[in-house]
Amino acid sequence: SQQGEEDPQALSIQEGENATMNCSYKTSINNLQWYRQNSGRGLVHLILIRSNEREKHSGRLRVTLDTSKKSSSLLITASRAADTASYFCATATGANNLFFGTGTRLTVIP
Amino acid sequence: SQTIHQWPATLVQPVGSPLSLECTVEGTSNPNLYWYRQAAGRGLQLLFYSIGIGQISSEVPQNLSASRPQDRQFILSSKKLLLSDSGFYLCAWSPDRIQETQYFGPGTRLLVL
Repeated sequence: SQQGEEDPQALSIQEGENATMNCSYKTSINNLQWYRQNSGRGLVHLILIRSNEREKHSGRLRVTLDTSKKSSSLLITASRAADTASYFCATATGANNLFFGTGTRLTVIP
Repeated sequence: SQTIHQWPATLVQPVGSPLSLECTVEGTSNPNLYWYRQAAGRGLQLLFYSIGIGQISSEVPQNLSASRPQDRQFILSSKKLLLSDSGFYLCAWSPDRIQETQYFGPGTRLLVL
């Protein structure tokens, strides 16, 4: 399967701490994207990193990509209770769709 | 700005009944359109995608079908629902290039009893 796999499956941290989630994939990619999903809602796009990029920032988010290890990480700094959600990585491989992982469930405790 | 709508938000249907879920996009033309299903606590499974009117690609064999009667309308259907069709159905759109960002609707929660 080309599907990404997030690690850990669940993460619980205190407000103010940093949260790191990882994504591994199996084939070459054109880009990798991170999405967020609040419970019972649709997914919201967070950030896209292309295969020739190694790091990207957006506000409190930092994404890294290591194509040699076929892995990516999403760092959320200074977490807030409102960051509680599931986070998914999705890989674009050149096929006609994105391949989504199974997600990391993040809980930020106030 | 672009918006995507899905309805209904929640649906409870008996086994063997038909299904029609609708998705519409506003504020863009010729979008790529997608239907996903998400089982409880799981990732997304792509069901169908469309790059134009009447052009539907199916990713997995199943009890469902999709149609795109208009440029910004995508419909998910079934003639006879199965218990296994229960789940959270998400519609999404993307601009010209399929590999770029996808924008998701609010989803429809379907429970088949």
